[in-house]
Amino acid sequence: QSVLTQPPSVSAAPGQKVTISCSGSSSNIGNNYVSWYQQFPGTAPKFVIYENNKRPSGIPDRFSGSKSGTSATLDITGLQTGDEADYYCGAWDTSLSDLYVFGTGTKVTVL
Amino acid sequence: EVQLVESGGGLVEPGGSLRLSCAASGFTFSNAWMSWVRQAPGKGLEWVGRIKRKTAGGTTDYAAPVKGRFTISRDDAKKTLYLQMNSLKTEDTALYYCTTRHLPTVTHAFDIWGQGTMVTVSS
Repeated sequence: QSVLTQPPSVSAAPGQKVTISCSGSSSNIGNNYVSWYQQFPGTAPKFVIYENNKRPSGIPDRFSGSKSGTSATLDITGLQTGDEADYYCGAWDTSLSDLYVFGTGTKVTVL
Repeated sequence: EVQLVESGGGLVEPGGSLRLSCAASGFTFSNAWMSWVRQAPGKGLEWVGRIKRKTAGGTTDYAAPVKGRFTISRDDAKKTLYLQMNSLKTEDTALYYCTTRHLPTVTHAFDIWGQGTMVTVSS
């Protein structure tokens, strides 16, 4: 029931950059903040970006977020093997009531 | 230490009921708007529902697949969040996380997550 669309997978060599897109609508991304979550196998998600482009304490500046209209993007530069994980975007959807929606998820592979 | 610890998961038959708990510590639970998020095996994250803090009305919102079957409640004195799940279906099989935002500088994101509790609906 995801209403935010992400590519299933992206990959790049160590040191390179990957870009993960997240497409939504005016009721979610278009009028609300986007956050991004990183999840390693067997562990709980961890937020890496909030309010579209802010990094929590401890998240390296290799992670950056942006938003334009009804789409958002997470960039990871200087890719490291430790970045290999699933990434989800998320936003509140205020169409009829307050619901939170996650993206479909993107697997980042470091080649 | 800021922490959320879920419990109560297990195996239940279709049509059955189960109540999950989430014990909070290390932050002011009564101020938090608490959510449940689930993840089916090998699948993505799915928001289940949320309960606001009492000073904001204590009201609840639910995702369409669980509305009318699941009920979220809270006991601020016990610093515990609950998820009552009734009329369970096989598609409710998932790892259930409780989550919230506790950092005052963070908005519109979930900055604390529990480790999850597994619910399996099967005959």
